[in-house]
Amino acid sequence: GESVGLHLPTLSVQEGDNSIINCAYSNSASDYFIWYKQESGKGPQFIIDIRSNMDKRQGQRVTVLLNKTVKHLSLQIAATQPGDSAVYFCAENIQGGADGLTFGKGTHLIIQP
Amino acid sequence: DAGVIQSPRHEVTEMGQEVTLRCKPISGHNSLFWYRQTMMRGLELLIYFNNNVPIDDSGMPEDRFSAKMPNASFSTLKIQPSEPRDSAVYFCASSFMGSQETQYFGPGTRLLVL
Repeated sequence: GESVGLHLPTLSVQEGDNSIINCAYSNSASDYFIWYKQESGKGPQFIIDIRSNMDKRQGQRVTVLLNKTVKHLSLQIAATQPGDSAVYFCAENIQGGADGLTFGKGTHLIIQP
Repeated sequence: DAGVIQSPRHEVTEMGQEVTLRCKPISGHNSLFWYRQTMMRGLELLIYFNNNVPIDDSGMPEDRFSAKMPNASFSTLKIQPSEPRDSAVYFCASSFMGSQETQYFGPGTRLLVL
């Protein structure tokens, strides 16, 4: 079946650098995408979302880019901080779909001092 | 608001026992989701309710799993009988309306079946 997947399971960056986490999706009918952050022992925490009628959306220190042509989603985190260390999940949904969110496997972001 | 509340936070039980997980969604939210997280399979949707009505339970592994939402402020996920392969972290999430509104997750229940 179609699924959401991540290119890299672990990403290590220096504190203060920018990081980019990538996600590939295969369901062309998906039109809503979300990034979640999960710290150890906690539930996923919403970061930012984007709908398919947009290519880019910015939040505080985060930017999500959507390339529908190649079915690719990325999360950019600017000026990374130690608190950014976590597992990041992308998730997708189909408008009007009754099946909740489909999550990718996750990327572990490690911020090195 | 206290956010989504789940209980218990940790549960250790023996194979064959009944397990009941509880969830209180954020007040005013009318969609509730149960997810399971394992290292092998990641986060998987089990079942989802809108206005207390189950909309999609295709993710429920088998008949041993059942979920109810008797009112807007409470839901349970029951496993009977439990098996070691059910060991996982179970998350409850709620949203204002449906899958395309932000889902807020609870802290999860870590279940270990021996």
